[in-house]
Amino acid sequence: DTAVSQTPKYLVTQMGNDKSIKCEQNLGHDTMYWYKQDSKKFLKIMFSYNNKELIINETVPNRFSPKSPDKAHLNLHINSLELGDSAVYFCASSQVAGSPLHFGNGTRLTVT
Amino acid sequence: EDQVTQSPEALRLQEGESSSLNCSYTVSGLRGLFWYRQDPGKGPEFLFTLYSAGEEKEKERLKATLTKKESFLHITAPKPEDSATYLCAVYSGGGADGLTFGKGTHLIIQP
Repeated sequence: DTAVSQTPKYLVTQMGNDKSIKCEQNLGHDTMYWYKQDSKKFLKIMFSYNNKELIINETVPNRFSPKSPDKAHLNLHINSLELGDSAVYFCASSQVAGSPLHFGNGTRLTVT
Repeated sequence: EDQVTQSPEALRLQEGESSSLNCSYTVSGLRGLFWYRQDPGKGPEFLFTLYSAGEEKEKERLKATLTKKESFLHITAPKPEDSATYLCAVYSGGGADGLTFGKGTHLIIQP
């Protein structure tokens, strides 16, 4: 069973569109995250979330919003997509903040 | 702001040729240093966590060590299947409360 799964694996869309990426973890972890990996392979945190609190990296545009329907899911919604949003987006989870992260295999977003 | 610098950016070794990867960090109160391996098209895979200076962890051909300013990932007698990007990350509890990653070392082991 895949511990952290995200869909779709590839997403190609045009500027201005709104899209969502889904993430599910079956590890029973309390905390979930979204990371962005740019073309230089640099991983940067966007959000961390547990059932009590959402913490947002201050550099993330408010066009990006995480939504958590339950403890096992953290979806990423992106409004008004821009060319610079093209990247690989990784979902991750951990037992608690500061414990090892378990990553999904990423969603490659291409904005044309 | 936490900072992580990894060197070299890329390293090419012959099979069996041992070497070390470096991770230098600046944090306000280290609460954990993590090593990950990332293969192309995959998410990072957890290898080790180190919490205090002097701590060492080993797994097969890999050994991670930690000082107050840096960590090393030693690779002994590597095999081609050890080829990957190795990522270092730190946790201090600040910012967005996640790990801060370095840019990684791309390691290639030639047969």
